[in-house]
Amino acid sequence: GDSVTQMEGPVTLSEEAFLTINCTYTATGYPSLFWYVQYPGEGLQLLLKATKADDKGSNKGFEATYRKETTSFHLEKGSVQVSDSAVYFCALFNQAGTALIFGKGTTLSVSS
Amino acid sequence: DAGVTQSPTHLIKTRGQQVTLRCSPKSGHDTVSWYQQALGQGPQFIFQYYEEEERQRGNFPDRFSGHQFPNYSSELNVNALLLGDSALYLCASSSPGQGYYGYTFGSGTRLTVV
Repeated sequence: GDSVTQMEGPVTLSEEAFLTINCTYTATGYPSLFWYVQYPGEGLQLLLKATKADDKGSNKGFEATYRKETTSFHLEKGSVQVSDSAVYFCALFNQAGTALIFGKGTTLSVSS
Repeated sequence: DAGVTQSPTHLIKTRGQQVTLRCSPKSGHDTVSWYQQALGQGPQFIFQYYEEEERQRGNFPDRFSGHQFPNYSSELNVNALLLGDSALYLCASSSPGQGYYGYTFGSGTRLTVV
């Protein structure tokens, strides 16, 4: 079945460092891909999305490119801030388009 | 504009008891989905309700059941609680007209089973 694998954390960075969180997927066809962020004590917020191959999703300085050939959707940010500390989830929509399938999440901790 | 509202925010139940969690969707949304997020894990899809019927179900036992009301709000019921049911339960609402980009999550209900 469909699945998402993302790098295990925690990822610990200093402010202004470059961030990469790897995400690969297994799915039938070409699902829409998402990154969600979860701040402590809160629900999930959509960070960015991509719906087809080579699409680049971007938001708040974060970017991810839908790579069909490597079935990947890695999250990047050029300069992280302390406020970016959170748990990041890579996800895809199932073939029916009714349910999100999530990775296990990667905890990012940014120190000043 | 209120987003997705879940209640209660926290609760503690004893093993074997039954629990009901509630969700009010975002204004304009008519579809409600429920997810279970165990500690340190990603959310897992429980089921989705649309037009007061269960449209799709994930890999969860029949102890997990739900309901959707005419005003689109929804309840998640869990019977015969197990310690392993302790988790954050997330509700998400959406609207077919907006596609999945309109998928909006609530802040969740944290259930602890002791």
